[in-house]
Amino acid sequence: AQSVAQPEDQVNVAEGNPLTVKCTYSVSGNPYLFWYVQYPNRGLQFLLKYITGDNLVKGSYGFEAEFNKSQTSFHLKKPSALVSDSALYFCAVRDGGATNKLIFGTGTLLAVQP
Amino acid sequence: DAGITQSPRYKITETGRQVTLMCHQTWSHSYMFWYRQDLGHGLRLIYYSAAADITDKGEVPDGYVVSRSKTENFPLTLESATRSQTSVYFCASSTEGGGVETQYFGPGTRLLVL
Repeated sequence: AQSVAQPEDQVNVAEGNPLTVKCTYSVSGNPYLFWYVQYPNRGLQFLLKYITGDNLVKGSYGFEAEFNKSQTSFHLKKPSALVSDSALYFCAVRDGGATNKLIFGTGTLLAVQP
Repeated sequence: DAGITQSPRYKITETGRQVTLMCHQTWSHSYMFWYRQDLGHGLRLIYYSAAADITDKGEVPDGYVVSRSKTENFPLTLESATRSQTSVYFCASSTEGGGVETQYFGPGTRLLVL
């Protein structure tokens, strides 16, 4: 069965420092991977996705993610964190079959300190 | 551009009552989804729909009923609410495709079952 794991419940980083939010996956077949962000009292917003091609995927708000097949990881990164990046981040993988079902990780709370 | 809306945004009900959460999207997306968000579980899929009159169970369907008579609406009904159904409920939609399309989320409904 497809699954994703986000090993960190919370990540703390100082403003201006680089940030990484970790995600590992387990899939049969080609992985279709997504990152979503949730700001307080809001629905999830799409950040970026990996379908095929370049291992480095660029997304919204200056975020990028690196797909690593050998390590089955899809870590979210940003070179310089902003306080406004503080939010809950979810990694997701497409479920098997020709549907749009996604399986979400448990989420990682990113706290950026000024 | 209304996008995807949910109503009510907040709901308090009592155990045993029937509750219906509404979801409406203006994009004519084929796929619609209902998730619940609980601490430690991330988002879990309750039901999804590939088109009008086509629905299917997700990961946690017990105690819920859905219908989709029109493409734009996807109501979720709790037939007899239980305290374990206290949660934040998100509706989402996406275009037809092979599982790589972005899902767009509504703002959520916070449900408290007393």
